[in-house]
Amino acid sequence: NAGVTQTPKFQVLKTGQSMTLQCAQDMNHEYMSWYRQDPGMGLRLIHYSVGAGITDQGEVPNGYNVSRSTTEDFPLRLLSAAPSQTSVYFCASSYGGGRQETQYFGPGTRLLVL
Amino acid sequence: AQSVAQPEDQVNVAEGNPLTVKCTYSVSGNPYLFWYVQYPNRGLQFLLKYITGDNLVKGSYGFEAEFNKSQTSFHLKKPSALVSDSALYFCAVRDSSSASKIIFGSGTRLSIRP
Repeated sequence: NAGVTQTPKFQVLKTGQSMTLQCAQDMNHEYMSWYRQDPGMGLRLIHYSVGAGITDQGEVPNGYNVSRSTTEDFPLRLLSAAPSQTSVYFCASSYGGGRQETQYFGPGTRLLVL
Repeated sequence: AQSVAQPEDQVNVAEGNPLTVKCTYSVSGNPYLFWYVQYPNRGLQFLLKYITGDNLVKGSYGFEAEFNKSQTSFHLKKPSALVSDSALYFCAVRDSSSASKIIFGSGTRLSIRP
């Protein structure tokens, strides 16, 4: 199993550009989440999904969109990038039902918005 | 709404001494509690979790954590620190009634000196 994979590893954007951060998992996990990590602020939940076709907002959803058309994939879209979105983004997945407690994290995407 | 606090940005311990990394939480229902570790330029790795049962939970790499309901705390401990334990540690909480919405603390940097 590859686990949770994220692409790209690093990206530079100009203000106003759009892009999609890719996340995929091959563990048949129902639950997937996106976090951003900023110095001194830990990980903040952006959006999450409890299954294909179901998404919900986390702590800091503004400026980001998600969709979950398949169990495996959970892309994060930045519609119009802003410097405040410079961060490291982590995708995570976990089982559903009574086994969803342990999350598996991807290696992260480092995003710089100029 | 659930929340978690890690009151110490950094903890410094000499190798061989016991270590404690503090965490307090707030949830409306029963808490599910977690500790994760992050090494430089890596994603988060699961250490241990408390769902129910014994208040003392044992996890990976010799770490353990004690759940204290009256103090709403879940401190991470290790009897004898190693230099290789130096990393960033995150406490996280999920309300038992809120599937998948796991909230992380701001992180504590643990530094073990030889």
